Amino acid sequence: AQSVSQHNHHVILSEAASLELGCNYSYGGTVNLFWYVQYPGQHLQLLLKYFSGDPLVKGIKGFEAEFIKSKFSFNLRKPSVQWSDTAEYFCAVNAGNNQGGKLIFGQGTELSVKP
Amino acid sequence: DAGITQSPRHKVTETGTPVTLRCHQTENHRYMYWYRQDPGHGLRLIHYSYGVKDTDKGEVSDGYSVSRSKTEDFLLTLESATSSQTSVYFCAIRTGLQSTDTQYFGPGTRLTVL
Repeated sequence: AQSVSQHNHHVILSEAASLELGCNYSYGGTVNLFWYVQYPGQHLQLLLKYFSGDPLVKGIKGFEAEFIKSKFSFNLRKPSVQWSDTAEYFCAVNAGNNQGGKLIFGQGTELSVKP
Repeated sequence: DAGITQSPRHKVTETGTPVTLRCHQTENHRYMYWYRQDPGHGLRLIHYSYGVKDTDKGEVSDGYSVSRSKTEDFLLTLESATSSQTSVYFCAIRTGLQSTDTQYFGPGTRLTVL
């Protein structure tokens, strides 16, 4: 069965620090990869996605992610975080239209940025 | 927000009562989904729909049923609510027919079962 693992459950950073959140998935075939963000009390919003092409994907708000197929990883990065980046971040994967293209989510990483 | 609304936004109910949550979209997307969000589990798929009257189960479908009689509405019903169904429920739509198309999420419904 497909699964997604986010190893960092809670990350605390100071403003201007660099961020890297880990995401690993288990599936041997072609996958589509997504990062979503959930600000406190709000719904999930798409940060970026990868399905083919350049493995370095740029998203909104200065975020980027790199797909490394050999490592089954899709880590999220931001060179300099802001207090407003405080949120929960979810990595998700789907493998084609199996079960309607359902997304398999990781457990989430809570990011707290200190001003 | 892709024109998705959910109602109610908050509900408290008692064990054993039926509950129906509504998801409404304004853009006629074919695919719609119901997920539940629980701490430590991320989001998990309950049911999904790929068209009017076309639905299928997700990974945590026990105790839930769905209906889609119109393109714009996708209803989730808890036949007899239990405390384990206390959760935040998110509806989502997919903007196209391809698995690479983005899923957009509604604002969520917080359900508490006492």
